[in-house]
Amino acid sequence: AQSVTQLGSHVSVSEGALVLLRCNYSSSVPPYLFWYVQYPNQGLQLLLKYTSAATLVKGINGFEAEFKKSETSFHLTKPSAHMSDAAEYFCAVSDSSNFQLIWGAGTKLIIKP
Amino acid sequence: DSGVTQTPKHLITATGQRVTLRCSPRSGDLSVYWYQQSLDQGLQFLIQYYNGEERAKGNILERFSAQQFPDLHSELNLSSLELGDSALYFCASSGRDSSYEQYFGPGTRLTVT
Repeated sequence: AQSVTQLGSHVSVSEGALVLLRCNYSSSVPPYLFWYVQYPNQGLQLLLKYTSAATLVKGINGFEAEFKKSETSFHLTKPSAHMSDAAEYFCAVSDSSNFQLIWGAGTKLIIKP
Repeated sequence: DSGVTQTPKHLITATGQRVTLRCSPRSGDLSVYWYQQSLDQGLQFLIQYYNGEERAKGNILERFSAQQFPDLHSELNLSSLELGDSALYFCASSGRDSSYEQYFGPGTRLTVT
């Protein structure tokens, strides 16, 4: 069965610093992988997705993620953090058997001025 | 705007009462998902419907039920409400492409007093 692990429930970085949010998955079949962002008091918004094309996926707001099959990882990065990036980020993997997404627990990104 | 609509935006009710939350999926999407998000439990998948039929059940209480109508809108019914049911309830839809990405509505904030 698929599962998703997000390392770190909270990650704090300084404004302008590199953002790295970690996601590891387990899947018995080639997965589709997703990162979603949730700003305070809002719904979840798709940031980017991997669907077996290029392993480096670019998303909105300058974020990107790299699919590494050998490490079963799909870490989210951004070269330079902005205050507006403060939000909760969720990693998810698709379960093709029932059209569901399996969700990680989420990582709250805190940006220090 | 994801194209998914939810009503009402806010709901305040008393313990023991029953409420109905409504969701309209994106045009053409056949799957509807319901999630509960609270501070202590995070994002919890409740139930999924696909083209009017229940497809998958998550951590949904017996006091909660849902249905998807022929026009594909969905309703989540919460009964015998308890203080602990206070949460954000999200609806998401998917189905127009094969990667199963979900599009989230803005949520309904339920407060049980």
